[in-house]
Amino acid sequence: DAKTTQPTSMDCAEGRAANLPCNHSTISGNEYVYWYRQIHSQGPQYIIHGLKNNETNEMASLIITEDRKSSTLILPHATLRDTAVYYCIVSLNDYKLSFGAGTTVTVRA
Amino acid sequence: EAQVTQNPRYLITVTGKKLTVTCSQNMNHEYMSWYRQDPGLGLRQIYYSMNVEVTDKGDVPEGYKVSRKEKRNFPLILESPSPNQTSLYFCASVVVAGSYNEQFFGPGTRLTVL
Repeated sequence: DAKTTQPTSMDCAEGRAANLPCNHSTISGNEYVYWYRQIHSQGPQYIIHGLKNNETNEMASLIITEDRKSSTLILPHATLRDTAVYYCIVSLNDYKLSFGAGTTVTVRA
Repeated sequence: EAQVTQNPRYLITVTGKKLTVTCSQNMNHEYMSWYRQDPGLGLRQIYYSMNVEVTDKGDVPEGYKVSRKEKRNFPLILESPSPNQTSLYFCASVVVAGSYNEQFFGPGTRLTVL
């Protein structure tokens, strides 16, 4: 599976959009990009995934560049409950996910 | 409510005393997995199971056993726990539907081996 690079941490103001970048320059053509988050030692929670097209669900939007070497997770209106560690993962399937260090996102009032 | 449950949630034990952490899912998923999480190392897969009676090693299987005798349950067994198995453990089950894949994680079991 391709490796990913994410910033260690970022802050976001409550009510504003949070844009979380992820680089995956060695991604192969059939690998998906997944995003999960983990709120303070709880079990990780699935957010969204995509292959090449941009995706949106009730939680977030996923923007994947045309060359697929990077992506951005967008939380449209961050709330204090969105404070968590966010993991960007690339994988051939969802059977095995390699979680890196992720990005610690702190939403401030 | 769709969920993955783990028991116990917290456990303090001593070296060498066999223990089992149970995991159960009510979503009829075929695939289940165990992870451990340690500071600075992220989540690492211990074992996984693709169906009843089908299990395989993940990245860090040493010191652990699993069984999958029925679809809903996937217990993690530590035959002779050691202090380096002190960790936060997560069980997960996976739904697969076409291109849609999602892992559902349990609440975690915090294990301390003295």
